[in-house]
Amino acid sequence: DVKVTQSSRYLVKRTGEKVFLECVQDMDHENMFWYRQDPGLGLRLIYFSYDVKMKEKGDIPEGYSVSREKKERFSLILESASTNQTSMYLCASSPVRRTLHFGNGTRLTVT
Amino acid sequence: AQKITQTQPGMFVQEKEAVTLDCTYDTSDQSYGLFWYKQPSSGEMIFLIYQGSYDEQNATEGRYSLNFQKARKSANLVISASQLGDSAMYFCAMRDTGTYKYIFGTGTRLKVLA
Repeated sequence: DVKVTQSSRYLVKRTGEKVFLECVQDMDHENMFWYRQDPGLGLRLIYFSYDVKMKEKGDIPEGYSVSREKKERFSLILESASTNQTSMYLCASSPVRRTLHFGNGTRLTVT
Repeated sequence: AQKITQTQPGMFVQEKEAVTLDCTYDTSDQSYGLFWYKQPSSGEMIFLIYQGSYDEQNATEGRYSLNFQKARKSANLVISASQLGDSAMYFCAMRDTGTYKYIFGTGTRLKVLA
């Protein structure tokens, strides 16, 4: 079974802090994704990566950056956390043109 | 721009009955993939079913089937014989074959009543 692991299930940070959300997959998938999920808005794509060191902006990249130094790890970085970034963050991976496999999510609260 | 629309924010169904969750999509691509995911209250996203745009048969997976009507650009999920454990949020999604992006709808919250 594919395993996508997000480092934290719950996270509380202060406004202005730099926040790292980590995601690791164990199936050698080429593609990795970061989504945020908000009530009534569904899942919105923040960034995705189709290869090591390659990244593409999704629909809502502002305020976020990503890093993919190794194939199995995709990190989401909030450079200066703000309260409007309080949300559920979902990481996913997939082989090329195949089903997404999701982690369990990180519920981030910025106070 | 590609888009997924789920017009039912919430639905109720009686246990053992069938229910249809609506999904319409918008794309100019000829080749695309459509997915349904289930998200229980625990938060995990569970893949349910996939339909390719060139697949002639509607996809089925156990109690789940996808009613694919290409001309209408709809990909409705049908759950037969609903169970209490089917209570969850359901998301329709489309894979953009031009990029690597997967686009999601806003979801439908299904509640199965005993």
